Amino acid sequence: KNQVEQSPQSLIILEGKNCTLQCNYTVSPFSNLRWYKQDTGRGPVSLTIMTFSENTKSNGRYTATLDADTKQSSLHITASQLSDSASYICVVTPLASGNTGKLIFGQGTTLQVKP
Amino acid sequence: SAVISQKPSRDICQRGTSLTIQCQVDSQVTMMFWYRQQPGQSLTLIATANQGSEATYESGFVIDKFPISRPNLTFSTLTVSNMSPEDSSIYLCSVGRGILNNEQFFGPGTRLTVL
Repeated sequence: KNQVEQSPQSLIILEGKNCTLQCNYTVSPFSNLRWYKQDTGRGPVSLTIMTFSENTKSNGRYTATLDADTKQSSLHITASQLSDSASYICVVTPLASGNTGKLIFGQGTTLQVKP
Repeated sequence: SAVISQKPSRDICQRGTSLTIQCQVDSQVTMMFWYRQQPGQSLTLIATANQGSEATYESGFVIDKFPISRPNLTFSTLTVSNMSPEDSSIYLCSVGRGILNNEQFFGPGTRLTVL
């Protein structure tokens, strides 16, 4: 069964600190892996997208890595800000989805940044 | 990208009633998706809505409970029928972009509370 597992489930850090969120997946083969940020009461917004052949992708203070051999991805947040408080969702698109657009969602990591 | 709006943004409804949620996109798209996000959970796909055809429902979701309309390429509605407290969730629409429709952009969501 295709799965996407994220850890930790929740995380509290102090403003200015760095943190790393983990995503392990069993989806194979896949066409891309994406990290979304979801603020409370809002829809998810894409942060990064990587194809199976990419190892890293940055978007400002957000850097995602992908190791297709171990089927792991991470999202590193540098110099955290209060506005980084949100849920971060790892999403994998199975190659078998074709053009159906069906995605496999992780359960998300809830990040709280405290002053 | 795509700009997506949903109406209403939130509602509180009585058990046994129905609510229709609207999703408007700023450009024409082939595929639109409806998701449910229960408290503390990740997103679950309800159905895929293509213009000019019946919606395709995922396992556990039926048309009688969640009828969907897709009258044109920029608009869709999801109705939550005969509501119960278990239907209290955030409902999100998204649109597919890219060659395989696997780049999805999400609306802001509709927060539904059923008393």
